[in-house]
Amino acid sequence: DVKVTQSSRYLVKRTGEKVFLECVQDMDHENMFWYRQDPGLGLRLIYFSYDVKMKEKGDIPEGYSVSREKKERFSLILESASTNQTSMYLCASSYAYYGYTFGSGTRLTIV
Amino acid sequence: KQEVTQIPAALSVPEGENLVLNCSFTDSAIYNLQWFRQDPGKGLTSLLLIQSSQREQTSGRLNASLDKSSGRSTLYIAASQPGDSATYLCAVMRTGANSKLTFGKGITLSVRP
Repeated sequence: DVKVTQSSRYLVKRTGEKVFLECVQDMDHENMFWYRQDPGLGLRLIYFSYDVKMKEKGDIPEGYSVSREKKERFSLILESASTNQTSMYLCASSYAYYGYTFGSGTRLTIV
Repeated sequence: KQEVTQIPAALSVPEGENLVLNCSFTDSAIYNLQWFRQDPGKGLTSLLLIQSSQREQTSGRLNASLDKSSGRSTLYIAASQPGDSATYLCAVMRTGANSKLTFGKGITLSVRP
């Protein structure tokens, strides 16, 4: 089975900090995605990547950046964390037009 | 633009009942449709993936159907159990969408003992 691992389940950071969320997949998938999930708003796509060093903005990229230096790792960066970025962050990977596999999520709180 | 709707937002049933969760989508040009389960505070677990050429998929007590022409999918859960209590999300991958999924907001299911 494909495994997608997110480095932290819970994270508390301070306003203004630079925050890194890491995601690693072990099945050589070319596509990787970062979502945030908020009550009443559902899942919203922040960024996705379809190859190493390739990235595209999703629906809500403002305040975020990403890095994909190796195929298996996709990092989400909060350049200067703000309280409105408190959320559940979910990483996923997929191969071509097949199904997604999600990680277990990171509950990020910005104080 | 693809829109995915899941109604109702919440459902409560007694244990043992067979139930159907509905999903509708506006654009029938899709590669596939995927059903996920999410437990509180956790990530999404894939339940079933239906490719556009398929009509249904089965896994244990779960059966998912797809009717592309009408823009509908159903997830059938047989003999529901309290352990089935979770949020169920459907998502579609539209053709030309660069492998991106469009998600519904989910149905929160509670199975009462």
